[in-house]
Amino acid sequence: GENVEQHPSTLSVQEGDSAVIKCTYSDSASNYFPWYKQELGKGPQLIIDIRSNVGEKKDQRIAVTLNKTAKHFSLHITETQPEDSAVYFCASQNYGGATNKLIFGTGTLLAVQP
Amino acid sequence: NAGVTQTPKFRVLKTGQSMTLLCAQDMNHEYMYWYRQDPGMGLRLIHYSVGEGTTAKGEVPDGYNVSRLKKQNFLLGLESAAPSQTSVYFCASSYMVAGNTIYFGEGSWLTVV
Repeated sequence: GENVEQHPSTLSVQEGDSAVIKCTYSDSASNYFPWYKQELGKGPQLIIDIRSNVGEKKDQRIAVTLNKTAKHFSLHITETQPEDSAVYFCASQNYGGATNKLIFGTGTLLAVQP
Repeated sequence: NAGVTQTPKFRVLKTGQSMTLLCAQDMNHEYMYWYRQDPGMGLRLIHYSVGEGTTAKGEVPDGYNVSRLKKQNFLLGLESAAPSQTSVYFCASSYMVAGNTIYFGEGSWLTVV
């Protein structure tokens, strides 16, 4: 079945450094790729998403890139701050397809060291 | 703004007991979901609903039942709890099923002993 692989599972960076989380999806028909941030004791919250008709999207310190040929997409966080510490989930979806199923990756625990 | 509200937040059950997790959303969303989150497994869809009175199976539906009698509420039931159902459960809702933001509740921590 469809799946999304996410790497790394844990990532530790120094405050001010950049962080990159990578995901690979299996369904070549996927066309929607959201990223969710989950803070400790909270539910996941959408931080950015990208659709298959664009290759990159930025929102202040975060950006997402998509390589449809390789079926990869990545989250980039620049100038990391302690409040960026959280679990990040990528997901992929083929909306308009048979099931519209949103498939989540297994999550990345990001720790930003002050 | 309440958004998506889940109750209870914490619960300990004995094997074989039953319980219901309650979810309410105040955003007038058509679509509602129940996920479970386990270490190293990400978020897995248990059941979902595309509107009042409808339910459908997700990825891991066995051992759970759901009901959507009112648009704003989505109930998740465990008829006979098993230790394998120890998990964190998240309710979520969205305006549309596809290509749309999913709003999550804060989670319900369930332990089955």
